[in-house]
Amino acid sequence: GAVVSQHPSWVICKSGTSVKIECRSLDFQATTMFWYRQFPKQSLMLMATSNEGSKATYEQGVEKDKFLINHASLTLSTLTVTSAHPEDSSFYICSASPQGVTYNEQFFGPGTRLTVL
Amino acid sequence: QQQVKQSPQSLIVQKGGISIINCAYENTAFDYFPWYQQFPGKGPALLIAIRPDVSEKKEGRFTISFNKSAKQFSLHIMDSQPGDSATYFCAAGMNSGYSTLTFGKGTMLLVSP
Repeated sequence: GAVVSQHPSWVICKSGTSVKIECRSLDFQATTMFWYRQFPKQSLMLMATSNEGSKATYEQGVEKDKFLINHASLTLSTLTVTSAHPEDSSFYICSASPQGVTYNEQFFGPGTRLTVL
Repeated sequence: QQQVKQSPQSLIVQKGGISIINCAYENTAFDYFPWYQQFPGKGPALLIAIRPDVSEKKEGRFTISFNKSAKQFSLHIMDSQPGDSATYFCAAGMNSGYSTLTFGKGTMLLVSP
């Protein structure tokens, strides 16, 4: 149980284009989903927290107009990197907290490797 | 006050040995302490978690020890195996479905055959 999927697992795009990454909770409903960014050999950096049906809460320093997050249902959240540039190349990972849990248990997806040329 | 300090940064242990990774926190409001295991190119996987109402939790070869007064917690991997070679992250959070997790910087564990 508690499986989270991400699609695509890797993507290469040209500078200036937009890329959409999907995060799905497969066997549970997630009230809250989180998006992280991870550089090689570094820890996870929280980008934003999203709750189903409401606007995402972005961490300080994360451009909300560049990283668009939509949490349209209890099993799907999407991250769109708009006008991507090489510095946006990174490993993007989502996580989801099951609905109804009393503590902040997060289950992570397998990640999406984004390379911007 | 939101930081979680993790040590060591890297660790080499012989097969069959005990791997110990330590974390310390400052925010006394934290009441949920998970450990995640991450293999290269993969997302982190929840390994084991503890809440401060207990001082120790064991699941198989993995044990969390928690010292509330010292604001420290540690992961012990008994009988370490080469397959345990991965990066381990400790984290801390608050008792809320909306609360975020604060992660340590990670420990790269290598278990030599």
